[in-house]
Amino acid sequence: GQQVMQIPQYQHVQEGEDFTTYCNSSTTLSNIQWYKQRPGGHPVFLIQLVKSGEVKKQKRLTFQFGEAKKNSSLHITATQTTDVGTYFCAGPSPGRRALTFGSGTRLQVQP
Amino acid sequence: NAGVTQTPKFQVLKTGQSMTLQCAQDMNHNSMYWYRQDPGMGLRLIYYSASEGTTDKGEVPNGYNVSRLNKREFSLRLESAAPSQTSVYFCASAGRVYGYTFGSGTRLTVV
Repeated sequence: GQQVMQIPQYQHVQEGEDFTTYCNSSTTLSNIQWYKQRPGGHPVFLIQLVKSGEVKKQKRLTFQFGEAKKNSSLHITATQTTDVGTYFCAGPSPGRRALTFGSGTRLQVQP
Repeated sequence: NAGVTQTPKFQVLKTGQSMTLQCAQDMNHNSMYWYRQDPGMGLRLIYYSASEGTTDKGEVPNGYNVSRLNKREFSLRLESAAPSQTSVYFCASAGRVYGYTFGSGTRLTVV
């Protein structure tokens, strides 16, 4: 079945440092979505990428979709303590009208 | 505007007991989902309902049943709880605009 892998599993940064998480799918994706889950909370939708090579920005967050549409990345510039949480990527499940989520990257930011 | 409401928020069950997790959305979404979240394993799809009147198995359906009661409500039933079903359960819904909206989750412990 489809696998969506994320690396790293965990990253601890000092406030102000940059952070990047990578998402790789075993299959080509028609689109990819990113979610953020704060500690003790629920996942919240951030963005969807559809086009090959697409780059989208949300303030300090930059999202990229790979040329082959099998990988994606989320880059945070100058992290803040409000960025703490787990970031998930998700892609459409083959044969199902639902998303397959990656295992997530947990970000800890030290003030 | 409540979004997706899940009840209960916490539950402790004894092995072999049954229970139903309730989920309701007020966004007129067609699709609804049940995921479970275990440490280090991301979100795994249990069942989903692409539209009112239909339900389909996800990645980990064993030990669960679902009912799409109407367009608003999608319940998850554990007929005979097992310790392996200790998890955090999230309900989500999705409409024509992309992105899932998640409920706040049910933290279930089976002892």
